[in-house]
Amino acid sequence: EADIYQTPRYLVIGTGKKITLECSQTMGHDKMYWYQQDPGMELHLIHYSYGVNSTEKGDLSSESTVSRIRTEHFPLTLESARPSHTSQYLCASTGLATGEQYFGPGTRLTVT
Amino acid sequence: GENVEQHPSTLSVQEGDSAVIKCTYSDSASNYFPWYKQELGKGPQLIIDIRSNVGEKKDQRIAVTLNKTAKHFSLHITETQPEDSAVYFCAAMVIGYSTLTFGKGTMLLVSP
Repeated sequence: EADIYQTPRYLVIGTGKKITLECSQTMGHDKMYWYQQDPGMELHLIHYSYGVNSTEKGDLSSESTVSRIRTEHFPLTLESARPSHTSQYLCASTGLATGEQYFGPGTRLTVT
Repeated sequence: GENVEQHPSTLSVQEGDSAVIKCTYSDSASNYFPWYKQELGKGPQLIIDIRSNVGEKKDQRIAVTLNKTAKHFSLHITETQPEDSAVYFCAAMVIGYSTLTFGKGTMLLVSP
């Protein structure tokens, strides 16, 4: 079982609030990712990082931002939540050598 | 960039039957092909993967085949059980050079 954690698991918040979704892994993986997944199932990559102080935007444009100050921690922040941000957010990590990518349990965000 | 197509989008089988999900990829440089299972309310779980130096890999009731010439790979589940019901994703990447590109997912329903 992968050691990758996300908190909170569920979040209901009002429009305009600032939120931070937490993701941490204890596997020492260099690469970490954030995906957005809507009820249509498809996984959309929104951010990734290849190591400390490295962040890149993914294929799907997102108003969220990320930071990577420590190897094990990759938080995602929304400065002003909107109903359009309602979605499932999945964090993942990969070891450099193997390519095996492991996902966290996800955060279900609802913005009212 | 890489493009991964996955079929079918939904698949219904009777318990005990076999299920096959197929994916094609576009980048001939891709050398790593994982499959994920996502149960309701959970993050995707890596269930099996294959690298481009082998043509087939088995793990109990699941197997993956890879045809590099045709650029397609398939997931085979034998003796399906109701607990196999989930969404399955295929993916492809070049290890060390790219991020995973996912297919759009297949919802597998196994009826008792």
